Parts: sequence; C-alpha cells; structure tokens
Amino acid sequence: AQSVTQPDIHITVSEGASLELRCNYSYGATPYLFWYVQSPGQGLQLLLKYFSGDTLVQGIKGFEAEFKRSQSSFNLRKPSVHWSDAAEYFCAVGPHNAGNMLTFGGGTRLMVKP
Amino acid sequence: EAQVTQNPRYLITVTGKKLTVTCSQNMNHEYMSWYRQDPGLGLRQIYYSMNVEVTDKGDVPEGYKVSRKEKRNFPLILESPSPNQTSLYFCASSLQGVGEKLFFGSGTQLSVL
Repeated sequence: AQSVTQPDIHITVSEGASLELRCNYSYGATPYLFWYVQSPGQGLQLLLKYFSGDTLVQGIKGFEAEFKRSQSSFNLRKPSVHWSDAAEYFCAVGPHNAGNMLTFGGGTRLMVKP
Repeated sequence: EAQVTQNPRYLITVTGKKLTVTCSQNMNHEYMSWYRQDPGLGLRQIYYSMNVEVTDKGDVPEGYKVSRKEKRNFPLILESPSPNQTSLYFCASSLQGVGEKLFFGSGTQLSVL
C-alpha cells in the first residue's frame, strides 16, 4: 500500500529565509508525486507535480521539489519565503500506471515570522 | 469561472439523521472525488468516480455513499451519521484522474452530535 510521511508537523521560518519541507513516500513502483498548499479556510491548490524525467521540478509561487528515488523523498523548497506563504502544505503520492487513489501526508503547517 | 462548489459550508446535525453534501463542477471533468480532512491525518479519500455511473471506494468508504448520475454532480450521502464522521470534507475534480491537476471545493465542516 502506498503511504506518505511528512515528519514536520509545524515549521516556523523568518521572512526571506529559505525553506525546505520534507516528504517521504512508500510505493512499490514509480509514483506520481505532488505538493498541494492549503491556505486558511480554503481548498487545496496544486503547487507542482512529478511524473518522470527531470528530478527537479518547478512549480508555482517560486517553489521547487526534488525527487530522490534512493531516499524515497520528494522535498519541497523555496529560496526566500514570503509572509503570504504561511499555509499548510501536503505531499501526496498516486499510482503511475493505473488507478485513481491519491494518498496524502499528514501535512506541515508553515508559519512565517516578520 | 471554473470552480467546484460544495454546499453547505457548515453543517451541524445529530446522530442518525441522514444528510447529503452536494458537489458540483462546471469544467466538464470526468474525475470527481471526496476526501475528509482530520488533524494530523491529512486528507483521506472516501470515494471517487471516473465517469457517470462509475464509482469506486477510496481508503475510508465506511458509512458513506455517493452517486454520479450526471457528470457535473457528485453528492456525498451519510445515511446514518455518527460522531466519528465529524470532519472537514472536500470535493475535488480533474479532467481525467489524479494525474491531472485536482480542483478542490472550499470544504464542508460537518459536526455530528
């Protein structure tokens, strides 16, 4: 069965500092990998996704993520955080070749200090 | 405007009283899905639908029903709600499946007393 672990429940960074949110997954084959962001009171919005090819993927709002197969990781990064980035971030894994089950991690809540 | 619309936004009910949460999308999407969100557990998939009259169970289908009689609508039905179904519920849709970008509704906060 597929699973996703986000080890950090809360993270606080200063505005302008760099950010890395961790995501580890368990999946028996090549997965689809996603990062979604949830602002307070809102639904989720897709930041970026990885299917195949280049292991460094670029997303919206200046975010990027790197797929590392050997570490079963898909960490999200941003070089300089803005106050508007404060939100909850979810990593998700889905099957590559069939099915339509999407499994989410527990989420990481990001707070940004002025 | 392309959107997924859920209603109601907030709902308080009592144990055993049947309820329906509606979901509608205006993007002609094939795929629709329901999730529940609980603190520390992220989102868990309840049911999904690949097309009209085609539905499948997700990770946590017990206590829920769905139907897909029309492409745009995918209601979530709780025949006999219980307190452990108190949660935040999201409907989502995409063009063809989870590999496509999912569009989420704004959520329904359900409390079962």
